[in-house]
Amino acid sequence: DAGITQSPRHKVTETGTPVTLRCHQTENHRYMYWYRQDPGHGLRLIHYSYGVKDTDKGEVSDGYSVSRSKTEDFLLTLESATSSQTSVYFCAISDPGGQLANTGELFFGEGSRLTVL
Amino acid sequence: LAKTTQPISMDSYEGQEVNITCSHNNIATNDYITWYQQFPSQGPRFIIQGYKTKVTNEVASLFIPADRKSSTLSLPRVSLSDTAVYYCCSGYSTLTFGKGTMLLVSP
Repeated sequence: DAGITQSPRHKVTETGTPVTLRCHQTENHRYMYWYRQDPGHGLRLIHYSYGVKDTDKGEVSDGYSVSRSKTEDFLLTLESATSSQTSVYFCAISDPGGQLANTGELFFGEGSRLTVL
Repeated sequence: LAKTTQPISMDSYEGQEVNITCSHNNIATNDYITWYQQFPSQGPRFIIQGYKTKVTNEVASLFIPADRKSSTLSLPRVSLSDTAVYYCCSGYSTLTFGKGTMLLVSP
């Protein structure tokens, strides 16, 4: 299995508080992603990174920010959490055109369940 | 981002072949079609990927017609352990996931 670690795995917080989720990889893959998963919506891309300090928005980026100061870590921050951000958050990594034979093959972490009360 | 559409659920029995079809009418020229499997409380896991025609690996086959507006994931002789959610995705460096097909395999 790909070396991806998400922390925390579970978090309960209150509306208006800041939250940071961390994704750490040991694969040296160039791309890192944050998805959220909600019933009836599948997985939706929040933000992604294609290199250190290189990030871009996904389809549901409002209310989220990200940072990638080194290859192995990708942080997702909710500046002021809202109940609509209660979800399961998945980090994924890939290396399209690089080490992976299959373009677009993402390796996912185990997920972080966030509950905003 | 290209949108994919797939059935919400499917039922099958052990030993049968299961075909899950996904539509992706506005797929981009550079996009690949990728399928993932997800079990409860786990992250999705790569099954198979293709660009066009047919791709086969040890667990599945993927059929993509010439117009690439749809694709079909074929799972031969399913078992109870194949009960999971299957996602059809399109894209290259970023993937757009469908809403998933819940496959239930019964004895």
